Amino acid sequence: GQNIDQPTEMTATEGAIVQINCTYQTSGFNGLFWYQQHAGEAPTFLSYNVLDGLEEKGRFSSFLSRSKGYSYLLLKELQMKDSASYLCAVRGAAGNKLTFGGGTRVLVKP
Amino acid sequence: DARVTQTPRHKVTEMGQEVTMRCQPILGHNTVFWYRQTMMQGLELLAYFRNRAPLDDSGMPKDRFSAEMPDATLATLKIQPSEPRDSAVYFCASAPWDNEQFFGPGTRLTVL
Repeated sequence: GQNIDQPTEMTATEGAIVQINCTYQTSGFNGLFWYQQHAGEAPTFLSYNVLDGLEEKGRFSSFLSRSKGYSYLLLKELQMKDSASYLCAVRGAAGNKLTFGGGTRVLVKP
Repeated sequence: DARVTQTPRHKVTEMGQEVTMRCQPILGHNTVFWYRQTMMQGLELLAYFRNRAPLDDSGMPKDRFSAEMPDATLATLKIQPSEPRDSAVYFCASAPWDNEQFFGPGTRLTVL
């Protein structure tokens, strides 16, 4: 089975940086995804890591350490529109089945 | 602008009634997923299909839920009979093979 942990809520100030951690324990691993979900909307894809290291995409970066079962999503130069839930999801060894964490709600304050 | 579509967007029904939710995946995507999201349980996978064949429905209560893909442009999720605990947002997502999943806008179901 899969067990995925991430903090429930974080608060940060506009223009600052926030790091959302995700730890996982899985019976198989074939990639880790981060999704953003605004209230009342569908999740949208942010990033994908399958190898160790940092993937950068504009203001967002995602890091993976497979040996530690650990990932983080880094949001830089925070904007008010970044207030949303961020979901960490792990893909198991076979197929495209994702198991999602409970999500981290990020609140950006002026 | 290709996107997953779902109907209806909102559904209020009474306990015991049948509910059918529909999803049109993005053209060319061969993998389709049904998820349920609640405050308590988060986002849970109910079932998924590849090339219209069911691959995994282990997350779905078999006694009342059923999922099908009558053709490549339509996926359905049925609940019969519905219960108040089925109240949730149901998302459909599609993907080309094992790439990232694109989610539809969801169906918000309320069972009274």
